Amino acid sequence: GAGVSQSPSNKVTEKGKDVELRCDPISGHTALYWYRQRLGQGLEFLIYFQGNSAPDKSGLPSDRFSAERTGESVSTLTIQRTQQEDSAVYLCASSLAVLYGYTFGSGTRLTVV
Amino acid sequence: QKEVEQDPGPLSVPEGAIVSLNCTYSNSAFQYFMWYRQYSRKGPELLMYTYSSGNKEDGRFTAQVDKSSKYISLFIRDSQPSDSATYLCAMSGTGNQFYFGTGTSLTVIP
Repeated sequence: GAGVSQSPSNKVTEKGKDVELRCDPISGHTALYWYRQRLGQGLEFLIYFQGNSAPDKSGLPSDRFSAERTGESVSTLTIQRTQQEDSAVYLCASSLAVLYGYTFGSGTRLTVV
Repeated sequence: QKEVEQDPGPLSVPEGAIVSLNCTYSNSAFQYFMWYRQYSRKGPELLMYTYSSGNKEDGRFTAQVDKSSKYISLFIRDSQPSDSATYLCAMSGTGNQFYFGTGTSLTVIP
């Protein structure tokens, strides 16, 4: 597609439920990133995929968070047993290569009640 | 100490003013520097990308990097109401990720 597509755009979930967020990167972009943006805070790196290499998971805040990517296409970020502190905007970005500029999606606004 | 420090503002200027946005950083290995603009409820969009020290100009926007002072700036000339947004700086060394500032909220008043 023309840009990075994320779904859903908004998600309200009850504390303790699992959620799955989806990212469709730009076709041909081998690098894919997930970031979290909390209100009034900077972007927090979560995970990075580059082609078929092992992902860099160093930013995942707990074992409740996991992400997958199939080849160089769609990625899903899963949060298990959601907590209120998980409420944030989750941004996906893709890039042709590591040190090119990112193209971000519009994000998924997650609210845990 | 955070990797990247950015004054959150908010910054409010009259239309036509010159705007200066700044970030400081602590990691001397950073050599790739970016500025992103983020409108409300949208993802950040890349404005400027510079490598190492120096200036880069693109229309009304100028990015400056001073690696000796670990300081980067974005200047906006002839600011317009459409420039009202949050501006994020980002930087990287040779690793896999960019480190972002918290963003500066800018409002340009007509």
